[in-house]
Amino acid sequence: DGGITQSPKYLFRKEGQNVTLSCEQNLNHDAMYWYRQDPGQGLRLIYYSQIVNDFQKGDIAEGYSVSREKKESFPLTVTSAQKNPTAFYLCASGINQPQHFGDGTRLSIL
Amino acid sequence: GQNIDQPTEMTATEGAIVQINCTYQTSGFNGLFWYQQHAGEAPTFLSYNVLDGLEEKGRFSSFLSRSKGYSYLLLKELQMKDSASYLCAVRLKGGSSNTGKLIFGQGTTLQVKP
Repeated sequence: DGGITQSPKYLFRKEGQNVTLSCEQNLNHDAMYWYRQDPGQGLRLIYYSQIVNDFQKGDIAEGYSVSREKKESFPLTVTSAQKNPTAFYLCASGINQPQHFGDGTRLSIL
Repeated sequence: GQNIDQPTEMTATEGAIVQINCTYQTSGFNGLFWYQQHAGEAPTFLSYNVLDGLEEKGRFSSFLSRSKGYSYLLLKELQMKDSASYLCAVRLKGGSSNTGKLIFGQGTTLQVKP
């Protein structure tokens, strides 16, 4: 089945640690997106990529980094500079189609 | 700036009809989406409007008026499983390029009671 796979489902970060969230899609979509959702809130765009080897900052990119070396993959690194990383992270793909989401990664601080 | 407004919470009775409103002010418009999100889960796509008018899909319908910056999601024959958050999102269009970027409202939590 075609879809978006995010891993891990739950992730814990220690003080000063960088952590990387995985997002893989087999939908052959050029565009991929990372969103953050805080409790009781809508989604906010962190980074997006319209094509391999290119990506742009979204509305809340500070403290995050991404790479897009392959069409299928768009990993997100939450760096130690992100002081409030506890949130639900969602990956999506598709530029003209309705965006479909992976199941999400829930990140918490240890 | 970009702004999307939805009511925070709504309550309705099983079997009834409920309308969830969404107003938006965005620079560039390339479609409006409605998503359903159950607690602890990812959003799932419900409907999409890019032209004015009503789109019907089973028990769910969505309406768009671009001139008024207004949309609503209509849920008929409510079921207990419809208790969820409903997110309104606008796809932005910057000039001649379509980035596919979505701006989301904060979501409306719908509680369906027996």
